[in-house]
Amino acid sequence: NAGVTQTPKFQVLKTGQSMTLQCAQDMNHNSMYWYRQDPGMGLRLIYYSASEGTTDKGEVPNGYNVSRLNKREFSLRLESAAPSQTSVYFCASSSGTTTGELFFGEGSRLTVL
Amino acid sequence: EDQVTQSPEALRLQEGESSSLNCSYTVSGLRGLFWYRQDPGKGPEFLFTLYSAGEEKEKERLKATLTKKESFLHITAPKPEDSATYLCAVRGGNTGKLIFGQGTTLQVKP
Repeated sequence: NAGVTQTPKFQVLKTGQSMTLQCAQDMNHNSMYWYRQDPGMGLRLIYYSASEGTTDKGEVPNGYNVSRLNKREFSLRLESAAPSQTSVYFCASSSGTTTGELFFGEGSRLTVL
Repeated sequence: EDQVTQSPEALRLQEGESSSLNCSYTVSGLRGLFWYRQDPGKGPEFLFTLYSAGEEKEKERLKATLTKKESFLHITAPKPEDSATYLCAVRGGNTGKLIFGQGTTLQVKP
């Protein structure tokens, strides 16, 4: 049972470089999310997609873009990475946006030098 | 503004020593309170949903309870494998967004 799969698991970037985090789910979920987790800050929502074809900003969207490629896949792009974007990124999915039962991937640890 | 505060930040227990974790919340029109478990290097894993004051849910050594202002995660006779970070989240009626607390890191020593 794959669930939610994220790639890559680890990445080191230099300031100004760009990269895309990939996420795929195999549970036929409508909604997908990108969170970042920082020490002492908890999980913060970056962007979400309530359903295929829609995306919306979360709490901390600046410096990020997303694409809901199809129902299964939701990618997060950093166009010009900054040290403040050093974090652990989690992709999650759920049946809809009214449930609190989210299924998370294992995370992508990003370091920006 | 919707807020979630968890306490304590960290808790050390001996195996078999029961205790409780607290999640205090301020939200307009609670649409649900959710508990998650997160192991080191892993994503959070859903445990429970609570919707109304007085509601209780149980799973093995864990029991979650809800009042109008807070939720407790009671751990009875914990084992070392219960060591993890426990996250609480609430969904409020006004924004509909899911707000996570900062978590309580539990360590159970044999």
